[in-house]
Amino acid sequence: EAQVTQNPRYLITVTGKKLTVTCSQNMNHEYMSWYRQDPGLGLRQIYYSMNVEVTDKGDVPEGYKVSRKEKRNFPLILESPSPNQTSLYFCASRYTSGGGKLTEAFFGQGTRLTVV
Amino acid sequence: DAKTTQPPSMDCAEGRAANLPCNHSTISGNEYVYWYRQIHSQGPQYIIHGLKNNETNEMASLIITEDRKSSTLILPHATLRDTAVYYCIVRGGARGGSNYKLTFGKGTLLTVNP
Repeated sequence: EAQVTQNPRYLITVTGKKLTVTCSQNMNHEYMSWYRQDPGLGLRQIYYSMNVEVTDKGDVPEGYKVSRKEKRNFPLILESPSPNQTSLYFCASRYTSGGGKLTEAFFGQGTRLTVV
Repeated sequence: DAKTTQPPSMDCAEGRAANLPCNHSTISGNEYVYWYRQIHSQGPQYIIHGLKNNETNEMASLIITEDRKSSTLILPHATLRDTAVYYCIVRGGARGGSNYKLTFGKGTLLTVNP
């Protein structure tokens, strides 16, 4: 089954304690991205990756890092989490097909992070 | 990307068709209309997209007006499991990293009632 898998689904942590949220897709998608969702602010893109070793900032990258060492994995790293990073996080992936053909994005089930 | 306007909420009776409108009056010629939905804090789910022709798949139909300034997503026989926030998104066809970003607005909360 085609899917994007995030782990963990729920996480409560303390300020300053480094954490990693993993994201893995089994569809051989080139493009992967991270979003956060907050009440009243909707979904906002944090980082994206066009392919292995190619990453770039989205709209709200401060406080986050990413890496793309393998095509299927795109972990989100919070080096020193703060309470304002308490949010619902989604990983997404899609093809970057040739010929201008557009394809849909597949989203993971989300990671609810609480930083206290 | 063009902005979209959707009603904040709608109700629909189970088994009836749900018609969700979206205005995108500033859409440009190469921009597509996408629809996604999000069921109670789950990951958004792709429904359908189109450029100018009407489209249909197993989930829904998409009707785009001739001037492309508005569209309607139709769920032909709504079920309780269709209760969700529906997002209408307009974005261009250009390739490249930032062009693949999806800009979600507030969407329409569709409540399907028994």
